[in-house]
Amino acid sequence: SQQGEEDPQALSIQEGENATMNCSYKTSINNLQWYRQNSGRGLVHLILIRSNEREKHSGRLRVTLDTSKKSSSLLITASRAADTASYFCRYNFNKFYFGSGTKLNVKP
Amino acid sequence: EPEVTQTPSHQVTQMGQEVILRCVPISNHLYFYWYRQILGQKVEFLVSFYNNEISEKSEIFDDQFSVERPDGSNFTLKIRSTKLEDSAMYFCASSEPGLIRIQYFGAGTRLSVL
Repeated sequence: SQQGEEDPQALSIQEGENATMNCSYKTSINNLQWYRQNSGRGLVHLILIRSNEREKHSGRLRVTLDTSKKSSSLLITASRAADTASYFCRYNFNKFYFGSGTKLNVKP
Repeated sequence: EPEVTQTPSHQVTQMGQEVILRCVPISNHLYFYWYRQILGQKVEFLVSFYNNEISEKSEIFDDQFSVERPDGSNFTLKIRSTKLEDSAMYFCASSEPGLIRIQYFGAGTRLSVL
């Protein structure tokens, strides 16, 4: 299977807490991307990390990449109710598959 | 900001009918995709399209499905004879040329087959 696999499958936290989601993959990559999907909507690209990067920040998002472990994590700091969504990773550019995602619920 | 637009937002059809879902990708993008999402399930890849031909398709994309870029702006997905199990959200996406290919998604068309 070429798609990234996210865990946990579901995560429920209180507003203000941090949320961490993980993605594991099986092949070598040149980049890994994280996407968000609000219920019933299209996916929105959040952040991209290249294979030669270890960490990247964008606002409240922090992505790390460990190519030796073939894994990435997405950290959302100071979560808000509006962060409630499903989060997916996708890697490489010649495969277009998404995993099952992590469903994040942020309780107000 | 440029966006991918899809029409209609909701399509209701009778089983056995043909439907055409329409998408206008972002204008300078060269790669186009269709995905579907059955209610409560994950986003499933259907097909990718580049240079006026299918570049990759999944096992879901059988002979009932076809894609077309009839002019310089539209990208369509046709389902020839709809089945009940085709009921889903259908998402169109497009991406720039190059190695990164961040995908930009439309808001989707909800297809309801009765």
